[in-house]
Amino acid sequence: GENVEQHPSTLSVQEGDSAVIKCTYSDSASNYFPWYKQELGKRPQLIIDIRSNVGEKKDQRIAVTLNKTAKHFSLHITETQPEDSAVYFCAASPSVGSNYKLTFGKGTLLTVNP
Amino acid sequence: EAGVAQSPRYKIIEKRQSVAFWCNPISGHATLYWYQQILGQGPKLLIQFQNNGVVDDSQLPKDRFSAERLKGVDSTLKIQPAKLEDSAVYLCASSSRYNEQFFGPGTRLTVL
Repeated sequence: GENVEQHPSTLSVQEGDSAVIKCTYSDSASNYFPWYKQELGKRPQLIIDIRSNVGEKKDQRIAVTLNKTAKHFSLHITETQPEDSAVYFCAASPSVGSNYKLTFGKGTLLTVNP
Repeated sequence: EAGVAQSPRYKIIEKRQSVAFWCNPISGHATLYWYQQILGQGPKLLIQFQNNGVVDDSQLPKDRFSAERLKGVDSTLKIQPAKLEDSAVYLCASSSRYNEQFFGPGTRLTVL
């Protein structure tokens, strides 16, 4: 089955700096890579996702890059703000019929210091 | 649109007791997932339903866990008997075809 490794496990940055979280996956059949943000005690929420037919995707201050050859993908947050503080999870999935079977990384606790 | 609903939000039981969780997915979402999230880890898929059929239950500990989705809408997840290591947050999620998974608020289970 799929195995997803995520680094670092904790990341502390100053407000306004950039933050980068990296993930690797093992299953070459995986073609969908979402990122979820989970605030303390709350549900995971999708912040951005990428499919294997593109190498990069941006949404305002958030971007994700994908290198299928190396089997790794990264989340980039620019101009970080205190409200970006949360646990971020990457996930990978092959298509399973018309749905996805997500395997999550262990998460990165991002702390943005004012 | 209304989100994924789960109940109860919290449950405390003693080991060897049984417990059940309920999930109501977003209206029209054919696919429903149950995840187990142990403290400090990412969610782990337990079972995936497409309408009322099981698509994947390869990581469900079937000796003690069971799940059903009658009529292809609501779902229940049961643990019987519970063990200490079952302490976790149980998340339900739903999705429509090829689209993102929306998570419910979860049920935090503590087994004493």
